[in-house]
Amino acid sequence: EVQLVETGGGLIQPGGSLRLSCAASGFTVNSYYMSWVRQAPGKGLKWVSVIYTGGSTSYADSVKGRFTISRDNSENTVYLQMNSLRDEDTAVYYCARGYVDVWGRGTTVTVSS
Amino acid sequence: DIVMTQSPLSLSVTPGEPASISCRSSQNLLHSTGYNYLHWCLQKPGQSPQLLISLGSNRASGVPDRFSGSGSGTDFTLKISRVEAEDVGVYYCMQALQTPFTFGQGTRLEIK
Repeated sequence: EVQLVETGGGLIQPGGSLRLSCAASGFTVNSYYMSWVRQAPGKGLKWVSVIYTGGSTSYADSVKGRFTISRDNSENTVYLQMNSLRDEDTAVYYCARGYVDVWGRGTTVTVSS
Repeated sequence: DIVMTQSPLSLSVTPGEPASISCRSSQNLLHSTGYNYLHWCLQKPGQSPQLLISLGSNRASGVPDRFSGSGSGTDFTLKISRVEAEDVGVYYCMQALQTPFTFGQGTRLEIK
């Protein structure tokens, strides 16, 4: 079964760091570009970052320089390293495959003191 | 950045009646491959988003044929031929032509 499972969310103080994981099953992550999308409480969907099959990456301006997307082919997992977290990073974080044809259930990140 | 504008932002539809959502992009989404890099997703209450339509008009696996996508360039439409109760939720269009990928504001569909 094709599936994505996000983990790593939690409550973190402003300025802190978290690493989110997106474990894939039923397909290999290096065969698709993989995105992170977030949704703040009561708000719409916002794209965060993408990693392409060749390894190149791109980020939303709001996270550039603070977040890093990466991939471990041996673990079939995509990561989002989040540093210097801010209140406005509070959201449910989803990973999605390629043409967003597969989504995970999301992991919740709450940045608060 | 490409701005995606959806209308209406909310929709109340009687079961069995049709519904239509418009999505306009600030830039042409037609790629040199001939595909429009425009996707439609539905987020049902309490759930993750799910893909309905990819590349403007390709229904995703398992999506009922009452859903259809059309349009090209900057103007796109999602149509539901006969709304059912299970169609409630927020519908988003998303452009994936260039980063940053961007979503529309979302259109909330409710059942009358």
